[in-house]
Amino acid sequence: GAGVSQSPRYKVAKRGQDVALRCDPISGHVSLFWYQQALGQGPEFLTYFQNEAQLDKSGLPSDRFFAERPEGSVSTLKIQRTQQEDSAVYLCASSLVPGIGETQYFGPGTRLLVL
Amino acid sequence: GNSVTQMEGPVTLSEEAFLTINCTYTATGYPSLFWYVQYPGEGLQLLLKATKADDKGSNKGFEATYRKETTSFHLEKGSVQVSDSAVYFCALYTGFQKLVFGTGTRLLVSP
Repeated sequence: GAGVSQSPRYKVAKRGQDVALRCDPISGHVSLFWYQQALGQGPEFLTYFQNEAQLDKSGLPSDRFFAERPEGSVSTLKIQRTQQEDSAVYLCASSLVPGIGETQYFGPGTRLLVL
Repeated sequence: GNSVTQMEGPVTLSEEAFLTINCTYTATGYPSLFWYVQYPGEGLQLLLKATKADDKGSNKGFEATYRKETTSFHLEKGSVQVSDSAVYFCALYTGFQKLVFGTGTRLLVSP
């Protein structure tokens, strides 16, 4: 596709449920990022992949959060035993190559609401 | 640590008014600086960027100049339109493979 796509666009989960959020980056993009955006705030970094390697997961808030990109393209962010504080928009971004001036292209996000 | 501070919103302007949204940053090293825009119901889109001091990024009538001496990257537009109503995010990238964003500034333009 032409841009980064994410699914589902909206997800409602009961507290304690597991959820899986999918990201399809732009074809050929080496770098993939996940960000969390709370209501009224800027996005905050969660994790970074270069191809299939997860090189930085310093932003994951707890061990309930897990991300993978097994074949270096599609990525999944999984949240286990969801809590109300996990409610946010989860953004995926990709860039062609790693680099300080490289543009990150963002998907539309998945809005997660935990009840 | 690395951080970005943006002016509080909302910024409310009439069509054709001059726009300034302030952004200052704290960073180690020499960051690249970005402005992203989020239109209602849409994802973040890159508006403009600058990768070194004194560079000016520009796009769609918006401009921002990378000022190392004042650690600033203020966004300006000479004449705003209703269609510019959106949330604007200033961000920096220091080479640790992550963008650091400000909290965003909502712009509302009335006809």
